[in-house]
Parts: sequence; structure tokens; C-alpha cells
Amino acid sequence: AQSVTQLDSHVSVSEGTPVLLRCNYSSSYSPSLFWYVQHPNKGLQLLLKYTSAATLVKGINGFEAEFKKSETSFHLTKPSAHMSDAAEYFCVVTLSGYSTLTFGKGTMLLVSP
Amino acid sequence: GAGVSQSPRYKVAKRGQDVALRCDPISGHVSLFWYQQALGQGPEFLTYFQNEAQLDKSGLPSDRFFAERPEGSVSTLKIQRTQQEDSAVYLCASSLRGARAYEQYFGPGTRLTVT
Repeated sequence: AQSVTQLDSHVSVSEGTPVLLRCNYSSSYSPSLFWYVQHPNKGLQLLLKYTSAATLVKGINGFEAEFKKSETSFHLTKPSAHMSDAAEYFCVVTLSGYSTLTFGKGTMLLVSP
Repeated sequence: GAGVSQSPRYKVAKRGQDVALRCDPISGHVSLFWYQQALGQGPEFLTYFQNEAQLDKSGLPSDRFFAERPEGSVSTLKIQRTQQEDSAVYLCASSLRGARAYEQYFGPGTRLTVT
């Protein structure tokens, strides 16, 4: 079975400061991992994905994530938060076979001026 | 636009009523997924179609839930005899292929409230 654990339900940062959203995964084999973002009343949008190529993955809007197999982690980072980054972020792993997604419980990112 | 659309966006049903939720995937997308997102939780997988074939329905919570995609494009999720615990946002996603590397594109969801 596959699962993801998002270690923080809420993260608060000030605009212009770094963002770190933590995710640990459990997988019996090499996983594909994703980060999705959900703005209020909008659909889920893919930020970035890891599919066994480079371990440092760059995504949209300045976000990036590093796959660390030894730590079973896939943390999401951004050097400088913007007000528009305030949203809920989901770490996601695929199940075996095709591409059914298993979501974490989400981390709400709050950005203050 | 050319994204995934879902209708209705909001649905209020009295307990015991049947509801039907529609999903229009991106044209040409082979795979279609339904997810259920309860308040404060991440989406949970319900069922998966590849073209018109329902390849996995292991996430459907009970036999009151039924999904179809008869012509390999539009899909309908039907819930019979709705219960309060069915209140959630139902998300539809489509993907160009079924392989793990392909991005899933999500619709805005249908918020179902059972009273």
C-alpha cells in the first residue's frame, strides 16, 4: 500500500520569506510523487511531479521539491512567498499500475503581509 | 475553455433522494477518475475509467454509488438513496493516458450537501 503524510496542517509565513511544506511517503516500490495546489473555489492544479528522473524537481510559480529516498521525503519549497501563494497544498503518490492518486490530508499555507 | 467541466456545481439533496453528477473531460483524454473530498480532507479515489471501461471501482464506498462512461467521454456518477455522510465535494479528473507520469487535470468539483 502507498500513503503520504503531510506533517503540518497549517503553515504561516510572511510575504517574502521562504516556504517549506513537508511530506513523507510510504511506498513498497519506486513511487511517482506530485504536489497539487487548490485555491478556494478552484480546481486542483499540478505544481510539479517526480517520476524517477532528476531528484530536484522544479515546478510552476517558483516552487520546487526534492525527492530523498533515504528519508522517504518530498518536501515542497519556495525561496520567497507571495500573497497569491496562499492556498491548500496536497502531496500525492501514485498507486501501483495506472495513475490513481493517493492524496495527503493537505497543508494550508497562510501568507501575511 | 477546454478544461474539465462538472455540473451541477452545487447540489442539495434530501436524505434518500437519488443524485446524478456529470463530468465532461478534456476532449481526447483516455482516462477519467472520480474522487470524493470530505471537508478538511484530501481527495479520495472512487473509480477509474479507461475509455468506456471501468477498470477500478474499489474506492466506491457502497453499492449506492454507481459510475458510467458509456461512450468513453462524458461520465456520470450516480448516488442512490443519499445519506448525510455522502456530503462532500466530488471531483472529476481526466488524463491523456493511463500511465503514472501523465498529469491529471481536475474539474472544479460538485459540492453535494445532503440534508
